[in-house]
Amino acid sequence: NAGVTQTPKFQVLKTGQSMTLQCAQDMNHEYMSWYRQDPGMGLRLIHYSVGAGITDQGEVPNGYNVSRSTTEDFPLRLLSAAPSQTSVYFCASSGRDYQETQYFGPGTRLLVL
Amino acid sequence: GQQVMQIPQYQHVQEGEDFTTYCNSSTTLSNIQWYKQRPGGHPVFLIQLVKSGEVKKQKRLTFQFGEAKKNSSLHITATQTTDVGTYFCAGHQGGKLIFGQGTELSVKP
Repeated sequence: NAGVTQTPKFQVLKTGQSMTLQCAQDMNHEYMSWYRQDPGMGLRLIHYSVGAGITDQGEVPNGYNVSRSTTEDFPLRLLSAAPSQTSVYFCASSGRDYQETQYFGPGTRLLVL
Repeated sequence: GQQVMQIPQYQHVQEGEDFTTYCNSSTTLSNIQWYKQRPGGHPVFLIQLVKSGEVKKQKRLTFQFGEAKKNSSLHITATQTTDVGTYFCAGHQGGKLIFGQGTELSVKP
């Protein structure tokens, strides 16, 4: 049982490049979410999903896309990276609904030059 | 939209001193969760409070949920170096879990 896994651990992008941050969980959790963490800003919700085929926007969704084709996977796509997207990205999942314990992945450190 | 404010942003204590972080919401919360993030790590769930006025303890940690369910606090008695990290509160609204800015605790031996 690996829990929540994220790849890559670290990525450097140039402005305008696109990439996908991968997130997978093997706990059969319905609820998954993406957060970004910046100094002094805490964890800000980007997008979340309450189940396969269902996604919704969080606090800071601009510049990011998500999809949820399976229960296990919840990738985060940056269509055209900007320096403002330099951050640490965490994926999280929880059981039947969002009010249960959130299990976080190890994070992806993204640097956009 | 809902805001979850957390203070202080930083707290430096001598080992053995007590520590408290406060969390305040602009709206009534259905419940509140607390997480700890060690330096370089990811947030780890500590506890969830649901009832108005609820108090829960985990060894040296005491968690409180306000009567109006708009505020919460985490108190650590006699801090140890292992308590170092950032403590986050998080509240739910409309299917979203919103985190406070966190309180970074450093402990001087």
